[in-house]
Amino acid sequence: GAVVSQHPSRVICKSGTSVKIECRSLDFQATTMFWYRQFPKQSLMLMATSNEGSKATYEQGVEKDKFLINHASLTLSTLTVTSAHPEDSSFYICSAKDGRSYEQYFGPGTRLTVT
Amino acid sequence: AQKVTQAQTEISVVEKEDVTLDCVYETRDTTYYLFWYKQPPSGELVFLIRRNSFDEQNEISGRYSWNFQKSTSSFNFTITASQVVDSAVYFCALREDRDDKIIFGKGTRLHILP
Repeated sequence: GAVVSQHPSRVICKSGTSVKIECRSLDFQATTMFWYRQFPKQSLMLMATSNEGSKATYEQGVEKDKFLINHASLTLSTLTVTSAHPEDSSFYICSAKDGRSYEQYFGPGTRLTVT
Repeated sequence: AQKVTQAQTEISVVEKEDVTLDCVYETRDTTYYLFWYKQPPSGELVFLIRRNSFDEQNEISGRYSWNFQKSTSSFNFTITASQVVDSAVYFCALREDRDDKIIFGKGTRLHILP
């Protein structure tokens, strides 16, 4: 089956620093990728949708200058949390849409802790 | 606007009991897709099923079964003869055909007690 990877799986960073999370589709080309955030004991909330080669579309209430998304290739999207603060600590999950089958596959998630 | 409601926040049952997780959805589209995902403590989402709006047949997969009823906008999930390994958070989700976004319900935390 289709595989989506995320790197790193866990990251701890200091307040004020930036951290980059990668999402890769390993065996298919992803025309669209999605980024979700999940706070403890809560649901997954869609943050943004990114199409390869174009700017991401952010959901209402998500700061685009804080959460920078780049989808430069059909197999890689990155989420950069800039000037991270403890309230950004969360579980970040990406999903990728297969350009042929239109199915979406989720990555294993990245747990971010900001100290 | 699309919406998914999982009214049961948390359920505890004793092993071997049957348990049903409820899911009610709202959408204005006639074509849409419904999903169930399992999220164990590791956090990784495990895909369980996808149903499109034109297929109201109930589905059974081993101990899992799903009841899709358009008349009540519900897509309930039943685990028969539950096992401890079934303990997880279960999410019901919806995607409208016009859009690629998958919208999740708040999830139901299921505890299977030995």
